[in-house]
Amino acid sequence: AQKITQTQPGMFVQEKEAVTLDCTYDTSDQSYGLFWYKQPSSGEMIFLIYQGSYDEQNATEGRYSLNFQKARKSANLVISASQLGDSAMYFCAMREGIGGGGNKLTFGTGTQLKVEL
Amino acid sequence: EADIYQTPRYLVIGTGKKITLECSQTMGHDKMYWYQQDPGMELHLIHYSYGVNSTEKGDLSSESTVSRIRTEHFPLTLESARPSHTSQYLCASSDRDRYPYEQYFGPGTRLTVT
Repeated sequence: AQKITQTQPGMFVQEKEAVTLDCTYDTSDQSYGLFWYKQPSSGEMIFLIYQGSYDEQNATEGRYSLNFQKARKSANLVISASQLGDSAMYFCAMREGIGGGGNKLTFGTGTQLKVEL
Repeated sequence: EADIYQTPRYLVIGTGKKITLECSQTMGHDKMYWYQQDPGMELHLIHYSYGVNSTEKGDLSSESTVSRIRTEHFPLTLESARPSHTSQYLCASSDRDRYPYEQYFGPGTRLTVT
């Protein structure tokens, strides 16, 4: 069975600083995908970044990058130059397989990020 | 930008009432999902659909039911609401032809059963 672990219930970061949100996963599959979503207080889930298990390069999307360490089964999210609008809950999620056939996601418990002036 | 809608956004209802939470998407996505999320907690998949007339139960057991008779519409129904059903319900959809098949989420419905 898949499992996602996010060990940081809450994090604080100063505006304009970088922050790393931790995510470790457990799966017996060779093919899988890892996602990060942002959930503001309004409740919707916003897709941020994706890493496939066979991707050799770490994914990047603007200020977001994913530090993927396959041997350690970790997929940490790095947010550079934090902004006040980054304050939100962040969820790591995993999908078995890299194709679109199944596409069921398993979510972690989330990390509440607070950006301070 | 994703076009997926949920109504109502907030619902307070008494025990024993029948409720239907609406979810619609205008993107033509074949796959749709319902998640349940308690405040500050992870999302749990309760139902999913891979297309019209296809529905499956998710990983978390739920007393709710779903239907998919149109591609764009995936309503969730509770025949008799109970206080234990109080939660946020999030609907999502994804496109099987567009890698990495990320799920687009609606704004959610916050349900309170008194």
